[in-house]
Amino acid sequence: SQQGEEDPQALSIQEGENATMNCSYKTSINNLQWYRQNSGRGLVHLILIRSNEREKHSGRLRVTLDTSKKSSSLLITASRAADTASYFCATESQAGTALIFGKGTTLSVSS
Amino acid sequence: DAGVIQSPRHEVTEMGQEVTLRCKPISGHNSLFWYRQTMMRGLELLIYFNNNVPIDDSGMPEDRFSAKMPNASFSTLKIQPSEPRDSAVYFCASRSNSGYNEQFFGPGTRLTVL
Repeated sequence: SQQGEEDPQALSIQEGENATMNCSYKTSINNLQWYRQNSGRGLVHLILIRSNEREKHSGRLRVTLDTSKKSSSLLITASRAADTASYFCATESQAGTALIFGKGTTLSVSS
Repeated sequence: DAGVIQSPRHEVTEMGQEVTLRCKPISGHNSLFWYRQTMMRGLELLIYFNNNVPIDDSGMPEDRFSAKMPNASFSTLKIQPSEPRDSAVYFCASRSNSGYNEQFFGPGTRLTVL
C-alpha cells in the first residue's frame, strides 16, 4: 500500500526557477527519503531527513519535515534542464521495515 | 563497485511461460528488496530479505510469484505462470544495515508478457 502521496503529480517550470514538491504520509516514521528517477532508469537517493529533524540541505536541495502534519517538502532551487525527472518520497516506519514509496511528481524543466 | 546488477534488462515472453529475474546486490549489503513499478500502481514493494532471510513478503501479489536469496550475492524473482498483467518494470535494491538507510537501486528489468 502507498504510504506517501506526492503533490503535484506533474510540474513544469523554466530553467532557473525553483521547484517545490510535497509529500504527505500516514503513519509515524523513522525517516523520510527523497529519490529521483530519470526516464528508463532506477531510482537514485537524493536526501534523507530523520524524524527529529525539521530541515536539511544538500547542494540545491532543501527538504523540510513536519511530523505534526505528517508532511515533507522538497525544494530544488535554480532548476536546470537536467533536473527533469520523477521525484519520489519514501518513508521508513518506526518498526524499521522497508521503505514505502509514493507515486511521485514528474518535473519538467525547459530551457 | 558496479552497483546493483539486474538481468535481463528486457524480457518479452508469452502468457503462461515461466520468467526468472536475477539480482546481484552491492557487496557487503545486508538487505535486498524487490519492487514492481507500473503506471497505475506506482512503485510497490514485493518482498525484502535481511541477511538472506525473507522478512516481509506481504507485497507478493499471489502464489505465482516466488523469490529466493540462496546467498548474500544473488537473488531471484520467479513468476510462474506469467500473465499479461505482470507486465511492469521490476527493480532490485540493496542496502547496508549499518549507518545510513539509503537504498541503491538496480537499472530494472522491463517485463512484457504477451
